[in-house]
Amino acid sequence: DGGITQSPKYLFRKEGQNVTLSCEQNLNHDAMYWYRQDPGQGLRLIYYSQIVNDFQKGDIAEGYSVSREKKESFPLTVTSAQKNPTAFYLCASRPQGWNTEAFFGQGTRLTVV
Amino acid sequence: SQKIEQNSEALNIQEGKTATLTCNYTNYSPAYLQWYRQDPGRGPVFLLLIRENEKEKRKERLKVTFDTTLKQSLFHITASQPADSATYLCALLASGGSYIPTFGRGTSLIVHP
Repeated sequence: DGGITQSPKYLFRKEGQNVTLSCEQNLNHDAMYWYRQDPGQGLRLIYYSQIVNDFQKGDIAEGYSVSREKKESFPLTVTSAQKNPTAFYLCASRPQGWNTEAFFGQGTRLTVV
Repeated sequence: SQKIEQNSEALNIQEGKTATLTCNYTNYSPAYLQWYRQDPGRGPVFLLLIRENEKEKRKERLKVTFDTTLKQSLFHITASQPADSATYLCALLASGGSYIPTFGRGTSLIVHP
């Protein structure tokens, strides 16, 4: 089945550690996005990528890094520089064009312990 | 600054009634507007898209309006059912090449049997 897969669903991290969240899609979409969702808040854009080997910072990129070496994959690393990393992280992909919808993964809930 | 506002308070309605959710925006000129449904612990799922030159869009029991003068979109669910209970997010997309979805915080809808 075509879709977008995030793993793991739940992740626990000790303070001071980096952690990488996986996002894979087999929809052949060009654009991929990472959002962060906190309780009572909307989705805030962390990073996005329109094509392979290119990505741009979103509104809250500090403390995060990404790579886009393959069209199918857009991993997000939460570094120790991110001061408040506990949140629900959502990855999305979308074909190019104005009238296209975003397809989301199931999300990864990251908790810093 | 750009702002997207959706009611933070949950909307409680009785089964069979029409639910109306509001999305207001300021300092933004979206070319397109999308509505998504999000269930707890899951990623959002696309429902409808409406363009700036369209007044209304329908899909089954769903209806969306878009008033660029008022800077507002209304999302209606007719003959609501308990299964419609979820959080509904609006997303704005501006023209200019990127069409990156910018999301509101969402409104929780609770349909009582």
